Amino acid sequence: QKEVEQDPGPLSVPEGAIVSLNCTYSNSAFQYFMWYRQYSRKGPELLMYTYSSGNKEDGRFTAQVDKSSKYISLFIRDSQPSDSATYLCAMIHTGGFKTIFGAGTRLFVKA
Amino acid sequence: EPEVTQTPSHQVTQMGQEVILRCVPISNHLYFYWYRQILGQKVEFLVSFYNNEISEKSEIFDDQFSVERPDGSNFTLKIRSTKLEDSAMYFCASREQGTGNQPQHFGDGTRLSIL
Repeated sequence: QKEVEQDPGPLSVPEGAIVSLNCTYSNSAFQYFMWYRQYSRKGPELLMYTYSSGNKEDGRFTAQVDKSSKYISLFIRDSQPSDSATYLCAMIHTGGFKTIFGAGTRLFVKA
Repeated sequence: EPEVTQTPSHQVTQMGQEVILRCVPISNHLYFYWYRQILGQKVEFLVSFYNNEISEKSEIFDDQFSVERPDGSNFTLKIRSTKLEDSAMYFCASREQGTGNQPQHFGDGTRLSIL
């Protein structure tokens, strides 16, 4: 079983839709959870960072962590064509240094 | 907003040659990282560096690779005797010291092409 599983998509939605992206993980040692956005030929850009289970909201983005189910989600409200990118979930062990990434989900938002 | 900068953006090198990838981390950050992303694959951890020494490295980071912080602002990745399979995007990242494990901030990468 992979440490972090993420559906690569692609996911295509109309402008204004609510987008749901998610990842599952197998190792309960993961305690820090991030979502990064990556545009073509660019580096990962940090969107959200969470530590505890529950929800965290920032503008149109909501990150959700369920440690009991080992499941994390990112919701994008009122999606825009500029949100078209690859979204990477990522996580770090307690006391660890490296970030473990999911495969990334390619999102297309159609105008 | 402060950012991680990487140079060059694209490096083309003959197989067997040595290459140095350069990074300027965010100025108050103390932890530094290199990651690799082969085309179409996930971002993979190579190495982390703190207090002038390697704190963790992956299986990929063998004797062919080395890192250095030659001065107070630069962080470099050296790849000796490059192979075709070293062709990839190489990302530098940094993070600040703080309680818990702060998230890493990434540069836009160097695309390394080995011919």
